[in-house]
Amino acid sequence: GENVEQHPSTLSVQEGDSAVIKCTYSDSASNYFPWYKQELGKRPQLIIDIRSNVGEKKDQRIAVTLNKTAKHFSLHITETQPEDSAVYFCAASSGGSYIPTFGRGTSLIVHP
Amino acid sequence: GAVVSQHPSWVICKSGTSVKIECRSLDFQATTMFWYRQFPKQSLMLMATSNEGSKATYEQGVEKDKFLINHASLTLSTLTVTSAHPEDSSFYICSAAAFASGYNEQFFGPGTRLTVL
Repeated sequence: GENVEQHPSTLSVQEGDSAVIKCTYSDSASNYFPWYKQELGKRPQLIIDIRSNVGEKKDQRIAVTLNKTAKHFSLHITETQPEDSAVYFCAASSGGSYIPTFGRGTSLIVHP
Repeated sequence: GAVVSQHPSWVICKSGTSVKIECRSLDFQATTMFWYRQFPKQSLMLMATSNEGSKATYEQGVEKDKFLINHASLTLSTLTVTSAHPEDSSFYICSAAAFASGYNEQFFGPGTRLTVL
């Protein structure tokens, strides 16, 4: 089955800095890669996703890059703000099963 | 995005009792619903996948007789924790998706905090 590794487990940055979270996956058939933000005690919220036919996608301060050859994808947050503090999860799924496999999560702390 | 509700948001029960958690997709028909369990500061652990009208597919290590899942309609799935024990205390989250429409995205419910005394 699919295996998703996520790093780092904790990331601490100063307000205004950039944050990068990296994930690798094992199943070359995976073609959908969403990123979720989960605040304490709340539901995961989709913040951005990318499909395997695209190498990069951007939405304001958030961007995701995908390297299919290396089987890794990354989340980039620029100009971080304290409200970006949360746990971020990457996931991978294939068109065949649609069942997502989640990474272990990254706790992002943005210091004002 | 689509809206998924979950009820109750929290529940406290005595050891040995059963607890039912409901997951509803409010504005779309969910062909597939997922049930997850999440421990503090840990990732989402998939428990089972259910498709409307068919039996749920449980992940390895998840007891199907203990965690009963019913997906009777395209908008409702239920998870019943039978004979709950303190080690079942956790945050349970459902998600719903309409994969038949060609979209991979799943929408999460707000979660249910279960505490077993």
